[in-house]
Amino acid sequence: RKEVEQDPGPFNVPEGATVAFNCTYSNSASQSFFWYRQDCRKEPKLLMSVYSSGNEDGRFTAQLNRASQYISLLIRDSKLSDSATYLCVVTDSGGGADGLTFGKGTHLIIQP
Amino acid sequence: DGGITQSPKYLFRKEGQNVTLSCEQNLNHDAMYWYRQDPGQGLRLIYYSQIVNDFQKGDIAEGYSVSREKKESFPLTVTSAQKNPTAFYLCASSLRQVSGANVLTFGAGSRLTVL
Repeated sequence: RKEVEQDPGPFNVPEGATVAFNCTYSNSASQSFFWYRQDCRKEPKLLMSVYSSGNEDGRFTAQLNRASQYISLLIRDSKLSDSATYLCVVTDSGGGADGLTFGKGTHLIIQP
Repeated sequence: DGGITQSPKYLFRKEGQNVTLSCEQNLNHDAMYWYRQDPGQGLRLIYYSQIVNDFQKGDIAEGYSVSREKKESFPLTVTSAQKNPTAFYLCASSLRQVSGANVLTFGAGSRLTVL
């Protein structure tokens, strides 16, 4: 069975700090990887795709480690508004909605 | 602005009643999906549709039904056969079948409570 695992947290981090969390996946044939952000009682929204070479968007950096089968998200200079649940999403090589697996999310709380 | 509209946002149902959740998109996306989210749980796929008049069961289709008569619309019916229907229901769409770098766009969700 395909598994996508995340530390549920919560991660309590002071404002301005750097925080990082990982997501491990079990299917070595997985092809596409994403981080979504979900605010409390809201819908998930795409934060960033994760490319093999890694990618950066402002304070956010996502990386893929295929050998160890995990992706990571690093947030620098954290803001109060970064408080949310971060969902890891993995798609397998077969495509189709049933090939897309969501992690349960990592809850991040930025404290003033 | 393009997007996905789900209604109602909140819904209360008595046991034994069927309810239908609406999902409309004006993104011209081919594929549409229904997910269920329970507290502390990941999203679980109920049904998905890649084209009009075609849909497939997801991981937890029992007790649910869908239709896809129009590209823009993908309503979900929660039937009385669904044993534990209280949950947050999310509709999503993508430009085509999810593969490669295609991503999902979600509606704001419908929160169903069974009394």
